[in-house]
Amino acid sequence: AQSVTQLGSHVSVSEGALVLLRCNYSSSVPPYLFWYVQYPNQGLQLLLKYTTGATLVKGINGFEAEFKKSETSFHLTKPSAHMSDAAEYFCAVSVTSNTGKLIFGQGTTLQVKP
Amino acid sequence: EPEVTQTPSHQVTQMGQEVILRCVPISNHLYFYWYRQILGQKVEFLVSFYNNEISEKSEIFDDQFSVERPDGSNFTLKIRSTKLEDSAMYFCASSERLPPSYEQYFGPGTRLTVT
Repeated sequence: AQSVTQLGSHVSVSEGALVLLRCNYSSSVPPYLFWYVQYPNQGLQLLLKYTTGATLVKGINGFEAEFKKSETSFHLTKPSAHMSDAAEYFCAVSVTSNTGKLIFGQGTTLQVKP
Repeated sequence: EPEVTQTPSHQVTQMGQEVILRCVPISNHLYFYWYRQILGQKVEFLVSFYNNEISEKSEIFDDQFSVERPDGSNFTLKIRSTKLEDSAMYFCASSERLPPSYEQYFGPGTRLTVT
């Protein structure tokens, strides 16, 4: 069965510092992987996704993630944090099914300090 | 930009009462989902809906839960007799075509509090 683990429920960085949010997955078949962001009082918004092809995926707002099959990881990075990046981030895997359901990690709250 | 909307944003109900959570998916979308997040826990899949029928449901989605698309625009989640453990944030999502090639768009959620 597929599962997702996000290491660190809270991450705090200084403005301008590197953002690294960790995600590891478990899947018996090639996974589809996603990062979503949730700003206060808003829905989950897709940041980026990996389906097939290039393992380094670029998303919105300067974020990117690299699919590493050998490490079963899909960590999210951004070279320089902005105050507006403060939000909750969710990693998810799509189950191989005909319904497209997502299995989520527990989420990581990113705090950006001035 | 089209968006998924959900009402109400916050619902408080007493244990044993019925609640209906409402969602308006994006108009040309064909696949619909409900997820929930209990405070401090993971976002969990509840049910997927396509072509006016449930396509998949989780073990959480027992006989107390039902979904309906009554008028071609709304997508509702009904809980017949709420329990304390149903307190959670409920998210609706929709997709134009079958994910993952097509993105699931999420609503802002309804916070359900059962007292």
